[in-house]
Amino acid sequence: NAGVTQTPKFQVLKTGQSMTLQCAQDMNHEYMSWYRQDPGMGLRLIHYSVGAGITDQGEVPNGYNVSRSTTEDFPLRLLSAAPSQTSVYFCASRDLTQNSPLHFGNGTRLTVT
Amino acid sequence: AQSVSQHNHHVILSEAASLELGCNYSYGGTVNLFWYVQYPGQHLQLLLKYFSGDPLVKGIKGFEAEFIKSKFSFNLRKPSVQWSDTAEYFCAVKGGTGGYQKVTFGIGTKLQVIP
Repeated sequence: NAGVTQTPKFQVLKTGQSMTLQCAQDMNHEYMSWYRQDPGMGLRLIHYSVGAGITDQGEVPNGYNVSRSTTEDFPLRLLSAAPSQTSVYFCASRDLTQNSPLHFGNGTRLTVT
Repeated sequence: AQSVSQHNHHVILSEAASLELGCNYSYGGTVNLFWYVQYPGQHLQLLLKYFSGDPLVKGIKGFEAEFIKSKFSFNLRKPSVQWSDTAEYFCAVKGGTGGYQKVTFGIGTKLQVIP
């Protein structure tokens, strides 16, 4: 089973460049989310979605955009990359039943120079 | 707003030692609580979860956690650690009983087990 698939695994950007991190899940999960993981700060929620056409901001949304046109896909867009966005990004999904845990992708390591 | 506090940021133990990692949360209502583990170079995996019922929850690989509502705590324990338990451990909370709520993570505890 594929689960949650993230691409790319690694990316280096120059300041000001834009890019899209891809996330796809094949478990028919309504809920999808993006976290960034930084040393000493744990995982912080960037954006999340509870279904196609519905998105909302998390703790650290500035500099990122998301859209949810299908149940399967939840891309994260960096509009103008900054060094502060150097991080490891994880996509996670779950269904909307009460006791459903998050399923994580393998992460994307992004470096902005 | 919900939040999670993990007290031990870096723990070093010898094999066969007992482990207890602290986790406290803040949320006024019903909560769902989780512990996730991240092995080096890998993504987060669910270790155990609490939703209701018995406050002592058993997870994979011999881990367990106890939910103490009066202390807003959900500490992770293992009687005897192994070298393969070297990883980072994250406590997480989801406030409320519905499925739409966000999950908030603590900053993590790095566990190093020395053979």
